[in-house]
Amino acid sequence: LAKTTQPISMDSYEGQEVNITCSHNNIATNDYITWYQQFPSQGPRFIIQGYKTKVTNEVASLFIPADRKSSTLSLPRVSLSDTAVYYCLLAYGGATNKLIFGTGTLLAVQP
Amino acid sequence: EPEVTQTPSHQVTQMGQEVILRCVPISNHLYFYWYRQILGQKVEFLVSFYNNEISEKSEIFDDQFSVERPDGSNFTLKIRSTKLEDSAMYFCASSADRARYGYTFGSGTRLTVV
Repeated sequence: LAKTTQPISMDSYEGQEVNITCSHNNIATNDYITWYQQFPSQGPRFIIQGYKTKVTNEVASLFIPADRKSSTLSLPRVSLSDTAVYYCLLAYGGATNKLIFGTGTLLAVQP
Repeated sequence: EPEVTQTPSHQVTQMGQEVILRCVPISNHLYFYWYRQILGQKVEFLVSFYNNEISEKSEIFDDQFSVERPDGSNFTLKIRSTKLEDSAMYFCASSADRARYGYTFGSGTRLTVV
């Protein structure tokens, strides 16, 4: 499975838009880009996934350029409760169904 | 919103003892998983289970680990002879389809081996 690279940490303030970028230079044709959120002592929570272009749901948007070598998770108007670790993962669309977690990005939202 | 339920939330056991961690996946999901997270470290894949058999397992999932779906609702992880290094959060997850459609994780069981 291809590796992803994302910043170790980011700081933001309440009400701001936060963009977390992830690099996946060796993404395979069958890979989907998926993002999870994890609060301390809780299981990861699925946020959004996409293959290419832009995907939006009620909590976030995911921007994927044409070459798919990177992606950006956009969180609009963050609040203190968005402080968490955010993981960018590649989910293989083929036979293997496991997810490989990296260290993620610790987003700290301040008042 | 449907949830994956794990019990117990916290278990303390003595080294060498057997433990069984229990999970109730979402009812219409077909794929089941166990992951673990040692304190301060990454979430690690242990095993995936589909159609009543293991479909994939990691190097961590050695002979001391086993999984079972004893009935139509429960999914269990057994550790036969616990070691200190098995202390971790253990997360159960389930998915309706392939990983790209997203997993639902449970809240985890914190296993402490003393």
